[in-house]
Amino acid sequence: GIQVEQSPPDLILQEGANSTLRCNFSDSVNNLQWFHQNPWGQLINLFYIPSGTKQNGRLSATTVATERYSLLYISSSQTTDSGVYFCAVTNQAGTALIFGKGTTLSVSS
Amino acid sequence: EAGVAQSPRYKIIEKRQSVAFWCNPISGHATLYWYQQILGQGPKLLIQFQNNGVVDDSQLPKDRFSAERLKGVDSTLKIQPAKLEDSAVYLCASSLVGELAGRGSYNEQFFGPGTRLTVL
Repeated sequence: GIQVEQSPPDLILQEGANSTLRCNFSDSVNNLQWFHQNPWGQLINLFYIPSGTKQNGRLSATTVATERYSLLYISSSQTTDSGVYFCAVTNQAGTALIFGKGTTLSVSS
Repeated sequence: EAGVAQSPRYKIIEKRQSVAFWCNPISGHATLYWYQQILGQGPKLLIQFQNNGVVDDSQLPKDRFSAERLKGVDSTLKIQPAKLEDSAVYLCASSLVGELAGRGSYNEQFFGPGTRLTVL
């Protein structure tokens, strides 16, 4: 089945710094979503982005489907950005999401 | 618009006991998913429903796990008997699978808060 790899696995930042998280996938995808899992375990939808670029405040994402990767940009990071960021995809095999292992982000003040 | 609701939020049981989780999806979402998330990993699909029919249950340990969605809305996931390795967060998600004019298929999934299960 399709493989989803996220990097880096861990990221430590000072408040105000910028960061880029990467998601590589091994096959063509129909859909791609980025999530933020907060310390209480809730998965928050960040972007639904099977292709192209989207921005929402300090966050933006780009998916280059032909090259099988997606990037999540976080600018001017805040302590509330801390948590685990997941990339998840679906392909022609079905509509259930296949998740990467996540990137754990820690932002300190 | 109300999100996906789940209950209970936390459950602690002893091994060999049974437990049930409940999920109410976003109104109008025909597709419902149950995922299991073990500590330190990404969620993995257990079972997928389309209305009240099962689409994919290939990853569901059917000797101890069962799920139903009788009226095509709410769903219940049951574990009987529980094992230590079932300790995890159980996440319910729903989606409105469809086609966007000129943009192909659409399947954004929304997750509930999860149920954290501890098996002692």
